[in-house]
Amino acid sequence: DTGVSQDPRHKITKRGQNVTFRCDPISEHNRLYWYRQTLGQGPEFLTYFQNEAQLEKSRLLSDRFSAERPKGSFSTLEIQRTEQGDSAMYLCASSLGTGQADTQYFGPGTRLTVL
Amino acid sequence: AQTVTQSQPEMSVQEAETVTLSCTYDTSESDYYLFWYKQPPSRQMILVIRQEAYKQQNATENRFSVNFQKAAKSFSLKISDSQLGDAAMYFCALTTYGGSQGNLIFGKGTKLSVKP
Repeated sequence: DTGVSQDPRHKITKRGQNVTFRCDPISEHNRLYWYRQTLGQGPEFLTYFQNEAQLEKSRLLSDRFSAERPKGSFSTLEIQRTEQGDSAMYLCASSLGTGQADTQYFGPGTRLTVL
Repeated sequence: AQTVTQSQPEMSVQEAETVTLSCTYDTSESDYYLFWYKQPPSRQMILVIRQEAYKQQNATENRFSVNFQKAAKSFSLKISDSQLGDAAMYFCALTTYGGSQGNLIFGKGTKLSVKP
């Protein structure tokens, strides 16, 4: 079990550029979550997948954000036309999906800095 | 709407002593779960302990235990015999199974320092 991995770990970009992050969940996990964490705050839910289906999106997920999980394995989160307010740690978590409130296992996060 | 409040931005404890971190929450759901997560500096978040709301018995995991007061909507974490490795941000989190599909709602966290 290699745990949840995220790539890249750090991303610095200029305002207006597009960025894409990748999350590889634990291999047998069906559920995958994206959260955003800003400095001094707890993580905030962005979106959630059950296998390849995106089942819920937060109001935080503006139309500049899009997430995919094409084959029910890894997931990508894309931010178009980045803004300085997008600077944050983006966390991915996965869980087995076999019952209620499965334990979510978190990746190390991708820290985005928008200049 | 569900909310989680951690009223202690920072706490400090002497090594080998006991410390209690506070958390209150609000939800109208009857079926929910509570968690404490630990986030060490520059490292990933890990689960410390979880509590199912329907269970009256407080959860324990080695040196970590909770005081779950359902009527008061309180969920505190007690760390006994504190170790240097316990220094981290601690987040209290709530999930319900209404329409939320298990998304975690986090508090703002408590930064715990452990003094040698």
